[in-house]
Amino acid sequence: KAGVTQTPRYLIKTRGQQVTLSCSPISGHRSVSWYQQTPGQGLQFLFEYFSETQRNKGNFPGRFSGRQFSNSRSEMNVSTLELGDSALYLCASSLQSTLGEKLFFGSGTQLSVL
Amino acid sequence: GENVEQHPSTLSVQEGDSAVIKCTYSDSASNYFPWYKQELGKRPQLIIDIRSNVGEKKDQRIAVTLNKTAKHFSLHITETQPEDSAVYFCAASEGGGSYIPTFGRGTSLIVHP
Repeated sequence: KAGVTQTPRYLIKTRGQQVTLSCSPISGHRSVSWYQQTPGQGLQFLFEYFSETQRNKGNFPGRFSGRQFSNSRSEMNVSTLELGDSALYLCASSLQSTLGEKLFFGSGTQLSVL
Repeated sequence: GENVEQHPSTLSVQEGDSAVIKCTYSDSASNYFPWYKQELGKRPQLIIDIRSNVGEKKDQRIAVTLNKTAKHFSLHITETQPEDSAVYFCAASEGGGSYIPTFGRGTSLIVHP
């Protein structure tokens, strides 16, 4: 079974631009969640999608948005990039995101904003 | 919302020593506590988890303990090996509506051969 796939692996953008990241979950997984990882800040939750609906949202500004398609693939968009958006963006998939369910992470997209 | 504090941020041990990482959580409704390991340049992977109806769980050289009254849980690694070197994240999930785990900031464990 293929794991969680994130593309692209690396991205370099300049301030003010926008970016779209993609995440393909494990086949059969319906929940996709997104996390921002920065040194010393751990994994900060952005949002979670289940069956094409945003089910949970973290404390990030509206510049961060996402969506999920009927095949469970998800995209995350960041508009008007700021220097502080430089981070590793991880997505994770699970069957339904119920309590006690293991998250399967992708390798992440390393975003650098110059 | 839930808040998870994790200590220490960095832990350096000699091969063969034990390592302990501690986490506290704020929401008494949390009842699922997973631990993820992230090796350098790799994705986080679940290594062990515990539910609130259990006080301790072991899997070979790793164990997790939970004290619900004090709202803290710990990861114990015995007989550490260089391949245990990684960043470890604890997390807590609320049972009441959001199953999304809240993660601690991570502990960088360095095992010196």
